[in-house]
Amino acid sequence: QVQLVQSGSELKKPGASVKVSCKASGYTFTSYAMNWVRQAPGQGLEWMGWINTNTGNPTYAQGFTGRFVFSLDTSVSTAYLQISSLKAEDTAVYYCARPDTGAAFDIWGQGTMVTVSS
Amino acid sequence: EIVLTQSPGTLSLSPGERATLSCRASQSVSSSYLAWYQQKPGQAPRLLIYGASSRATGIPDRFSGSGSGTDFTLTIDRLEPEDFAVYYCQQYGSSPLTFGGGTKVEIK
Repeated sequence: QVQLVQSGSELKKPGASVKVSCKASGYTFTSYAMNWVRQAPGQGLEWMGWINTNTGNPTYAQGFTGRFVFSLDTSVSTAYLQISSLKAEDTAVYYCARPDTGAAFDIWGQGTMVTVSS
Repeated sequence: EIVLTQSPGTLSLSPGERATLSCRASQSVSSSYLAWYQQKPGQAPRLLIYGASSRATGIPDRFSGSGSGTDFTLTIDRLEPEDFAVYYCQQYGSSPLTFGGGTKVEIK
């Protein structure tokens, strides 16, 4: 079946980096874009941006430029989110989400909790 | 940026009642590119409605969406115990994509 499986929870110190993976299965990876969504503890959903899985071209929402990088490895149908110079306010669950043909997010990963604490 | 305002923040209802959730946009949502998601604690969001009124695959017909332009509604007829959750609207017609702040439907 169509699914996105994300990497496990991470505990990092401030200033460190983290790389979250999102492995797709059950469909042709390059036929759909991949989006990233952040959810801070007890808060709502925040769109971080998306990556074109054909070209690898990323688009970042305001507030997610500089320290956030989207990348791909199409050979293993996997998208990545890397966050550098981590801050306490980066503590959140990060989701990858695939848009359907109309662009609503019909498939979501299970989420990856990233905790930044000294 | 299109700002989505959801109301009420919390809705306290009993099983079997009808829930009516509102999502108001700061400007018109193009081509009714408005979606609704359900999220339960510890789970990823689940797509319920896309295109303002089309149910996603496998979504029961007690869920319905309506509206256009700047005013959208999600209606849940005859609340089931599994429907108590947080609901988010999202517009995906213009960048940046944006989500509303959510409405929590809780058991009264």
